[in-house]
Amino acid sequence: DVKVTQSSRYLVKRTGEKVFLECVQDMDHENMFWYRQDPGLGLRLIYFSYDVKMKEKGDIPEGYSVSREKKERFSLILESASTNQTSMYLCASTTPGRALGANVLTFGAGSRLTVL
Amino acid sequence: EDKVVQSPLSLVVHEGDTVTLNCSYEVTNFRSLLWYKQEKKAPTFLFMLTSSGIEKKSGRLSSILDKKELFSILNITATQTGDSAIYLCAVDGGYQKVTFGTGTKLQVIP
Repeated sequence: DVKVTQSSRYLVKRTGEKVFLECVQDMDHENMFWYRQDPGLGLRLIYFSYDVKMKEKGDIPEGYSVSREKKERFSLILESASTNQTSMYLCASTTPGRALGANVLTFGAGSRLTVL
Repeated sequence: EDKVVQSPLSLVVHEGDTVTLNCSYEVTNFRSLLWYKQEKKAPTFLFMLTSSGIEKKSGRLSSILDKKELFSILNITATQTGDSAIYLCAVDGGYQKVTFGTGTKLQVIP
């Protein structure tokens, strides 16, 4: 019954390394999102994508990039990881549209990244 | 800037207690308010509220929205250890604009 899958639950990387976080959804959703979750700060939107090869910046895009080559897959890239990017990263997806409920997100289980 | 504030940030209760979690918001556009439960895995959807004064209920959980005072509460009655989680409140402002609060961490002890 898994619908949004994040490839890595736990990662440990060193400062300066390039990091890829992968997210795959099997619900044929157009919209996909990357959030980071930090204690006391809640969930903050990094990037979202509303179609293949389309992306938009969220509230905190600095230090991140994304890739959406296929509808089901949305990748978050940290070009040069830094210690302040240690966090829980959550991927989510939803269907587009104006209907109420269009923004009810289906989340993945999260990827906890530690940057040393 | 849109803002969603949850209180308390955390609380510890005993099994059987009733708890009330609070969520207040200030947003430019309001379409709905959403509650999620996050255990040690993906946040899962609980409720979507759009109209003031209409209670949504699911088992021991219920929620209500006050659009005049800009807040919502989530009630959990007869708490169980399985209710231990982070409860997230979010406001849908339209066009992919979903603003989350910091969450309330609930711990239910036997």
